[in-house]
Amino acid sequence: GAGVSQSPSNKVTEKGKDVELRCDPISGHTALYWYRQSLGQGLEFLIYFQGNSAPDKSGLPSDRFSAERTGGSVSTLTIQRTQQEDSAVYLCASSSQGAGTEAFFGQGTRLTVV
Amino acid sequence: KQEVTQIPAALSVPEGENLVLNCSFTDSAIYNLQWFRQDPGKGLTSLLLIQSSQREQTSGRLNASLDKSSGRSTLYIAASQPGDSATYLCAVRMYQFYFGTGTSLTVIP
Repeated sequence: GAGVSQSPSNKVTEKGKDVELRCDPISGHTALYWYRQSLGQGLEFLIYFQGNSAPDKSGLPSDRFSAERTGGSVSTLTIQRTQQEDSAVYLCASSSQGAGTEAFFGQGTRLTVV
Repeated sequence: KQEVTQIPAALSVPEGENLVLNCSFTDSAIYNLQWFRQDPGKGLTSLLLIQSSQREQTSGRLNASLDKSSGRSTLYIAASQPGDSATYLCAVRMYQFYFGTGTSLTVIP
């Protein structure tokens, strides 16, 4: 596709339910990032993939959060037993190989836990 | 740990003014610096990318400079327009991105 695609764009879920957020990076981009933006807050790093490997998972806030990437392409961020504090916009970015390359962000998934 | 600061947090200017947004960072071991724009409820749109070896980049009315040794970058917007109203974020890249908290810009017609 032309850009980074995230789905769903909006998700409302009940506290305690599991949710899956999807990111389709730009074709050929090997690096993929997940960030979280809470209301009025800055961007919080969650996880980084290079290919299918995640060299850095240090940003995942708890063991309820997990992410995977398959085929060096699509990534899924899963939040188990959602809590109200998980409500935020989850942003995905991708870039081609090499840390000096430009990164492109998707439009985000707005998650609301009620 | 890398810390990125943006000043001012908010800025309101009349249409047509030239303006400067500031970004500072504490660790100069970066690969590049990228400026983004974020409209309300939207994702991030890349504006300019400056490699660590570069001093500046220009795109249209936008000019970004980088002084890596002093940990500073500026985004210059010439002849501001109401459509420039948005939040501007700078991000320095190590292997992940470290973001500032942004400058909220309002251009008054």
